[in-house]
Amino acid sequence: DAGITQSPRHKVTETGTPVTLRCHQTENHRYMYWYRQDPGHGLRLIHYSYGVKDTDKGEVSDGYSVSRSKTEDFLLTLESATSSQTSVYFCAAQDPGSTDTQYFGPGTRLTVL
Amino acid sequence: RKEVEQDPGPFNVPEGATVAFNCTYSNSASQSFFWYRQDCRKEPKLLMSVYSSGNEDGRFTAQLNRASQYISLLIRDSKLSDSATYLCVVNEGQGGKLIFGQGTELSVKP
Repeated sequence: DAGITQSPRHKVTETGTPVTLRCHQTENHRYMYWYRQDPGHGLRLIHYSYGVKDTDKGEVSDGYSVSRSKTEDFLLTLESATSSQTSVYFCAAQDPGSTDTQYFGPGTRLTVL
Repeated sequence: RKEVEQDPGPFNVPEGATVAFNCTYSNSASQSFFWYRQDCRKEPKLLMSVYSSGNEDGRFTAQLNRASQYISLLIRDSKLSDSATYLCVVNEGQGGKLIFGQGTELSVKP
């Protein structure tokens, strides 16, 4: 058990509404990541964080923002959800200098109507 | 061209079969390599790291060919419980960021 939880686990929302997904970890991992997973694309990196208030964009960051005010929490916000953001979102955490192993949360299934 | 490419499958094999998955990566500067396993609707989990010398963990053998930019995973004596999607993953050396292949689906039948 990597001690990573995500909330909510499922969400249905409407186009244009803001959505915030939460990732919480209890193992004091310094690095955290948000991915989305879509059929035919594998996991794609949205944003990542190397520490509190240290975040950066990944491959598919348009339409998303993140915040990390505490080591244990990494929030992903869709400012104005679109149908193209319907996906499964995974959070992951890692320790620097480790064997690059990333531990994943259980995922959030988001549907934007 | 995708950075990490895998045959998406599905691979349908009987119990006891040997099955091999292949993966190619485009960045020759990539530094570390992994196979992750993902069960249906679950999170990916590390199966094994891949080293240049090849490495084995029970029924699983992983190989890396840096010259050809090719990674493989061999599963011997397949079990029903091996049914999952296998993700080829590459670290290009940029602060731990991983690049994932789209996964190869394996279905082991009785």
